[in-house]
This record gives sequence, C-alpha cells and structure tokens, in this order.
Amino acid sequence: GEDVEQSLFLSVREGDSSVINCTYTDSSSTYLYWYKQEPGAGLQLLTYIFSNMDMKQDQRLTVLLNKKDKHLSLRIADTQTGDSAIYFCAESYTGRRALTFGSGTRLQVQP
Amino acid sequence: DAGITQSPRHKVTETGTPVTLRCHQTENHRYMYWYRQDPGHGLRLIHYSYGVKDTDKGEVSDGYSVSRSKTEDFLLTLESATSSQTSVYFCAISGPDRDVYGYTFGSGTRLTVV
Repeated sequence: GEDVEQSLFLSVREGDSSVINCTYTDSSSTYLYWYKQEPGAGLQLLTYIFSNMDMKQDQRLTVLLNKKDKHLSLRIADTQTGDSAIYFCAESYTGRRALTFGSGTRLQVQP
Repeated sequence: DAGITQSPRHKVTETGTPVTLRCHQTENHRYMYWYRQDPGHGLRLIHYSYGVKDTDKGEVSDGYSVSRSKTEDFLLTLESATSSQTSVYFCAISGPDRDVYGYTFGSGTRLTVV
C-alpha cells in the first residue's frame, strides 16, 4: 500500500546541520521529493531524486536515498532561521494518479 | 505562486451550506489537483483532473465534487459543508513532466465550517 511516514518535529540550533527523515512503503516509487511549507503559504518544491540515485546535492541540501530500507533523508547544512518551516516528503511512480505525501516535519531553528 | 491562484483565501461558512472553491492557472497545464491539509495527516488527495471534463476521485472524496470545464479552472464544491471539512485546501498543477518536476501549489484556502 501507499504510506509515507515522517517524524513530526525537529529542533536545531542555527548553524548546525538538520536531518529530516522519511520512510515509504512502495517499492515502485520512481521519484521522491522534498517540499517546504512556510507559515500561511503553499508547498514549494525544494528538490527531488530519481529512484536509481543514492544521493543528490544542491547547495546546502543533500538528499540520501536508501532503496533497500525505503528510507529518504534531507540534510540541510548550516541551518538558518529562515529554514524554519514544515518539510514534506512525497513519492510518485509512473502511472500513479498523484503524489503521496507524508505528514510533514516541523523544523524549528533556534538562534 | 506564479501561474496558479486560489480563491477565496479565507472563508467561514455555516454547516449545511454549499461552498465552491476555485483554482485558476495560467500555465496551460493538463493536470490539476485538490488536496486538503490537516494536522497530523499531511496532504490528502480529494480529486484530480487530467484534462477538461476528465476528473477522478482521490482518497478523501466523500462530500466533495469537482468540475473542469476549461483548462485553466478547477472548481471544488462541498455539497453540504460539515465541521469535519474545516481545513486548508490546496490546489496544485503539473505539466507533462510531472513525475520529474512534481507540482506547483497555490497559496491555499482556509475554510472554516461553523
């Protein structure tokens, strides 16, 4: 079945690294995504990774994918107060009607 | 968000009344979606559309209907609003490369049913 799970809350200090984790159950997933939602706003695509990749880096963001364990993580280096938001992982596979989202992880960055 | 707008942004309505939310896009994208966001549940798909007059149900479609008579507009109707439909509603769009680039989301409509 389709299920994407995330921890609900993460608190870090400014300047530290943040790691947000996600697990999914569908082994047919082809693309996995990370979205960011700031207060009162819609979701904004941060990055995505194709299922045949293990890692993707984009400036301060590093995505790691462990297909065997169906585990996805998002690492934010040098976390800033502006990174405070809710982060959603989502999965898709070709032919599925829509993305399946996790419940979101609220990241709180303390100065 | 550029290219997609939702209206209204906020609405308070009474139980039992019909409510229509509008999503308008200027990107000429084929796919449009309605999600609801509730604490602890993330985003759940209500309905989606894969073209004009082509729509299908999502996982939480009971009590909702949709219509798409033009490429640019996707309407979500709560036929008889209930308190359980108090939520934030998001519209999203995607183009032919949706599996690569994901979705673009609107800013949301906060609906309160009293």
